[in-house]
Amino acid sequence: GAGVSQSPSNKVTEKGKDVELRCDPISGHTALYWYRQSLGQGLEFLIYFQGNSAPDKSGLPSDRFSAERTGGSVSTLTIQRTQQEDSAVYLCASSTGGGEETQYFGPGTRLLVL
Amino acid sequence: EDQVTQSPEALRLQEGESSSLNCSYTVSGLRGLFWYRQDPGKGPEFLFTLYSAGEEKEKERLKATLTKKESFLHITAPKPEDSATYLCAALKAGTASKLTFGTGTRLQVTL
Repeated sequence: GAGVSQSPSNKVTEKGKDVELRCDPISGHTALYWYRQSLGQGLEFLIYFQGNSAPDKSGLPSDRFSAERTGGSVSTLTIQRTQQEDSAVYLCASSTGGGEETQYFGPGTRLLVL
Repeated sequence: EDQVTQSPEALRLQEGESSSLNCSYTVSGLRGLFWYRQDPGKGPEFLFTLYSAGEEKEKERLKATLTKKESFLHITAPKPEDSATYLCAALKAGTASKLTFGTGTRLQVTL
């Protein structure tokens, strides 16, 4: 079946612009996660959605970052007033629930802020 | 602070030369230890989950093991197609399912 999809695959933007990154989870998965992977660093947790519960935003690095999940499916990660340090690969994952289930990752969006 | 450390950072093997990758963790209340494989330009691909010390799982040339402080990914008779970055991640109790990742081991297998 279809896996997690993300768009765009690559995004180049200028410092100060806003960007939106999209994630389509695996059909039927109720849990959705965003991570950031910077060069030479491990994946860093950003935000977690589980069903209709309030999201866990504890990993968002600043208030320039926000995310929403509409209809319990598609999610959008928004970065406002982008900075060069925001350049990274943004990865989305989904799982069947919010427990110990395996998280399946999408291909990521490579963001470059000039 | 919870931490996951992987070693070595990079490993070069000849085809058929077996070795092990290490993942040590300092996470209280571990709920699961995950191994992923990541190819350049792609997202992590799930390999294994280990839940308790002493557990072992195998898939083709890979075997993952878990103790109370570390996990090993053993690669037996590797082939060039096993070249990738291998990531481990810890899931801690009470953390709403967010994984703490190590920085990975870049494996290159040559002919």
